[in-house]
Amino acid sequence: SQQGEEDPQALSIQEGENATMNCSYKTSINNLQWYRQNSGRGLVHLILIRSNEREKHSGRLRVTLDTSKKSSSLLITASRAADTASYFCATVSMFSGGYNKLIFGAGTRLAVHP
Amino acid sequence: DVKVTQSSRYLVKRTGEKVFLECVQDMDHENMFWYRQDPGLGLRLIYFSYDVKMKEKGDIPEGYSVSREKKERFSLILESASTNQTSMYLCASSFIGLNYGYTFGSGTRLTVV
Repeated sequence: SQQGEEDPQALSIQEGENATMNCSYKTSINNLQWYRQNSGRGLVHLILIRSNEREKHSGRLRVTLDTSKKSSSLLITASRAADTASYFCATVSMFSGGYNKLIFGAGTRLAVHP
Repeated sequence: DVKVTQSSRYLVKRTGEKVFLECVQDMDHENMFWYRQDPGLGLRLIYFSYDVKMKEKGDIPEGYSVSREKKERFSLILESASTNQTSMYLCASSFIGLNYGYTFGSGTRLTVV
């Protein structure tokens, strides 16, 4: 039951360029989160943006959220080879009983070439 | 450094074996989760637990069970391993509440032969 769908599926850029990844989702959300996964490893939480926020920054990361369009974007500025990874958006959904779970999209594979 | 530790990085088991995947977190998180990750299918939630001895089914619980006897430990059990359970298994934990991110372990790549 994937909620978020990332676009593009794969992105290849040169070091120093900016990378933009987009995420669309279907139902109303409380917040949207972005994660990074290096090849064959676990996911690392990057940033969380709440539904009442429109933009958030963390270092070289900039996340925007448009709840009217049910979409978010992740911008990585001045990319480095070390940014090569898969990036996932995830939205919070409620279980019955009031417990929340994250639903992940399929991810964008980013390759940054030296 | 806070972390989630999964007991094995790689595991090879035979069809029909009972398999235990262990996960331990040191952050006093209430929630713990088990996901599996397959190419083209993304991350799918198998089970989660919001308290000791409590568990809830995720999206794909069939063929799996879980155990949470202590707050810091959440075990995933494959009752009778099958080849279609070959996958990357990811454990995660978080505080209860909507606005917390998850902390993931490094994953266990399980191959069932």
